[in-house]
Amino acid sequence: GESVGLHLPTLSVQEGDNSIINCAYSNSASDYFIWYKQESGKGPQFIIDIRSNMDKRQGQRVTVLLNKTVKHLSLQIAATQPGDSAVYFCAERISNDYKLSFGAGTTVTVRA
Amino acid sequence: DADVTQTPRNRITKTGKRIMLECSQTKGHDRMYWYRQDPGLGLRLIYYSFDVKDINKGEISDGYSVSRQAQAKFSLSLESAIPNQTALYFCATSDMGSAFFGQGTRLTVV
Repeated sequence: GESVGLHLPTLSVQEGDNSIINCAYSNSASDYFIWYKQESGKGPQFIIDIRSNMDKRQGQRVTVLLNKTVKHLSLQIAATQPGDSAVYFCAERISNDYKLSFGAGTTVTVRA
Repeated sequence: DADVTQTPRNRITKTGKRIMLECSQTKGHDRMYWYRQDPGLGLRLIYYSFDVKDINKGEISDGYSVSRQAQAKFSLSLESAIPNQTALYFCATSDMGSAFFGQGTRLTVV
């Protein structure tokens, strides 16, 4: 299951499929972006980040894509697992101002 | 031990009471933040501090105050709690990169 180009508050994914979570950011001056994962009862945990001088960055099973032209950020999770069920937030920041601004989040549910 | 520790983890308080939420960190970061999380609204910034002598209002500071007692400690106070301050509160720290969050304090104002 995937949602491309549109932010959805919820995403249901079959175990083993790839997931795409989208985020539209608001400030064209933002130059640093982060994806966080929040599991039930826990604080947000860092997944991956990307700076504005890059279009793509890969981690372990995750890839972040940045399209500055349309102010869009996406997180791709390969071979989604039950442990990936959580709320995912994107965050943006301007380097000279260290405040992070968060999106509303996408709840990902992995179906067995 | 957690890098960012919040106390208490859960609290129920009555309308009009003063309450303090505490945060301590062992990451050695100068920057500390307090966020509020409500369902469907993501995390909103209440206050932030870039060092011990620096305090700044975030987007929703009304009804809250903070104190940066030391580099490692940043507390959030509700001077007179009201029911719409019922929420999940997170403390975070950062250096030049991403922010690290505590486990959160679930506050209920009745």
